[in-house]
Amino acid sequence: GNSVTQMEGPVTLSEEAFLTINCTYTATGYPSLFWYVQYPGEGLQLLLKATKADDKGSNKGFEATYRKETTSFHLEKGSVQVSDSAVYFCAPNYGGSQGNLIFGKGTKLSVKP
Amino acid sequence: NAGVMQNPRHLVRRRGQEARLRCSPMKGHSHVYWYRQLPEEGLKFMVYLQKENIIDESGMPKERFSAEFPKEGPSILRIQQVVRGDSAAYFCASSPGTGIGSPLHFGNGTRLTVT
Repeated sequence: GNSVTQMEGPVTLSEEAFLTINCTYTATGYPSLFWYVQYPGEGLQLLLKATKADDKGSNKGFEATYRKETTSFHLEKGSVQVSDSAVYFCAPNYGGSQGNLIFGKGTKLSVKP
Repeated sequence: NAGVMQNPRHLVRRRGQEARLRCSPMKGHSHVYWYRQLPEEGLKFMVYLQKENIIDESGMPKERFSAEFPKEGPSILRIQQVVRGDSAAYFCASSPGTGIGSPLHFGNGTRLTVT
């Protein structure tokens, strides 16, 4: 079946460091790709999305590019802040009925001042 | 425009009791999804409903768990005779449609603790 793989956390960075969280998905069909963020004690919020190959999603300084050739959708940010500390979920949408989205285990990011 | 509303935020039940979790989707959204999140884990799909219909319940345990989304009122996830293993965060999400470009909008969850 379809699946998604994220780099395991936790990831600990100092403020202003560069962030990359890797995400790869199974190459069945042409899914839309999403990154969600979950702050402590809250639900998931949509961070960014890309719906076709070579699209770049961006929001709040975060970016991710839909790479069909490598089936990847890595999340990047040039300079993280303490307020970016959260759990990040990569989620492809293959259009199935199970909520459409398939979630990985998430990557916990801690940013130290 | 209010987001997805879930209540209660925290629910404590003793073993054997019933837990009832409520979810009001965003205005204009007719598709509701329930997910369960165990500590330090991702989200596991449980059930997908549209108004008055269960579309996919393949992620829901066959016993003790049920879900509904009536014509009027919120969606309800019911867990009968709770056990300690049911302790988790339960998230509801809604969407206006099922297109693959449509994101889900999540509530803040109900954290169930079974003592």
